[in-house]
Amino acid sequence: AQSVTQLDSHVSVSEGTPVLLRCNYSSSYSPSLFWYVQHPNKGLQLLLKYTSAATLVKGINGFEAEFKKSETSFHLTKPSAHMSDAAEYFCVVSDRASGGSYIPTFGRGTSLIVHP
Amino acid sequence: NAGVMQNPRHLVRRRGQEARLRCSPMKGHSHVYWYRQLPEEGLKFMVYLQKENIIDESGMPKERFSAEFPKEGPSILRIQQVVRGDSAAYFCASSPPGQVEKLFFGSGTQLSVL
Repeated sequence: AQSVTQLDSHVSVSEGTPVLLRCNYSSSYSPSLFWYVQHPNKGLQLLLKYTSAATLVKGINGFEAEFKKSETSFHLTKPSAHMSDAAEYFCVVSDRASGGSYIPTFGRGTSLIVHP
Repeated sequence: NAGVMQNPRHLVRRRGQEARLRCSPMKGHSHVYWYRQLPEEGLKFMVYLQKENIIDESGMPKERFSAEFPKEGPSILRIQQVVRGDSAAYFCASSPPGQVEKLFFGSGTQLSVL
């Protein structure tokens, strides 16, 4: 079974300060992990993904995430927040389900608020 | 290479009507996932299909909801006798077989039930 927990429902930062969005996962196998961003009334955009290669993954718009197996975490970071980063962020885990298929499971989301 | 195409973008139905949501996967992708997003919530898995076969429907409500992915044409999510609680954004994603790391999402269909 797989699950994902996003530890914060809201994160508020000032423009230019670092961003940390936390994600912990539970997986029976070697998972694939993703971060998606959703701007208001928009679809989902893939920020980055981990698929058993390098544990530090770089994505678009300056975001990166580090896969830490010992901590079962995949936190999303960015050195300096921009106003345009304000959005909803989803952590997603996917491994082989009990029936043998891969079904991505979403966290509940973290709303990133960026203050001027 | 067009992305995952969903239509309509917005769909308004009255209670008791039927809603049909369409999803055309990316070229070369034969697997389709459907998710539902309720306001202020994450995406909940509904159903996973390949052409002419349902692989996993563990997230589908037992009544009124059905999905198909025919040999030709888009995948269809069908909701019969809609109720207000069905109002949500419905997202489709596609991938090549067994390659979830190549998953791409459509822009979603916003269903509003009056």
